[in-house]
Amino acid sequence: EAQVTQNPRYLITVTGKKLTVTCSQNMNHEYMSWYRQDPGLGLRQIYYSMNVEVTDKGDVPEGYKVSRKEKRNFPLILESPSPNQTSLYFCASSLKAGIEAFFGQGTRLTVV
Amino acid sequence: LAKTTQPISMDSYEGQEVNITCSHNNIATNDYITWYQQFPSQGPRFIIQGYKTKVTNEVASLFIPADRKSSTLSLPRVSLSDTAVYYCLVGGHNTDKLIFGTGTRLQVFP
Repeated sequence: EAQVTQNPRYLITVTGKKLTVTCSQNMNHEYMSWYRQDPGLGLRQIYYSMNVEVTDKGDVPEGYKVSRKEKRNFPLILESPSPNQTSLYFCASSLKAGIEAFFGQGTRLTVV
Repeated sequence: LAKTTQPISMDSYEGQEVNITCSHNNIATNDYITWYQQFPSQGPRFIIQGYKTKVTNEVASLFIPADRKSSTLSLPRVSLSDTAVYYCLVGGHNTDKLIFGTGTRLQVFP
């Protein structure tokens, strides 16, 4: 079954404690991206990756890092989380950017 | 990068046709128009994509005028389960960034 898997689904952490949200896809997609979703603001792109070892900033990259060492995985790293990063996060993948994207189930992150 | 503008919310009743319009005045020549549906606490789901004129699939139709500065998602005979947020997205097949708008919240009443 084609899918994008994010882990964890829910996470509560404290300010400053490094965390990683994993994202994995089984469709051999080249394009992967991370979004955050906040009430009234829709989906905002954090980082994207056009292919292995090729990543770039989206609209709201501050406070986040990513890596793309393998085609299937695209982890989102928060080196020093802050409360304003409390949000719902989605990972997505597609064959190419702009083509039908498949989204993960979401990760609800709370930073206290 | 094309920015999209959609109505914040729309109401409808079961069985009616719903048309949601998206404005994208700065659309580029190689940009496609894509619509997604999102239910609460779930990731968006692809509905339909088009470049010009009309595209139809089993769930929706997409109408794009000749100037491509807007598009209309048409949902025939909506049901309660169509209550969701609908996003219009504009981008090329090799665009790097993808920009979602704030979406249109569709509420379907019995």
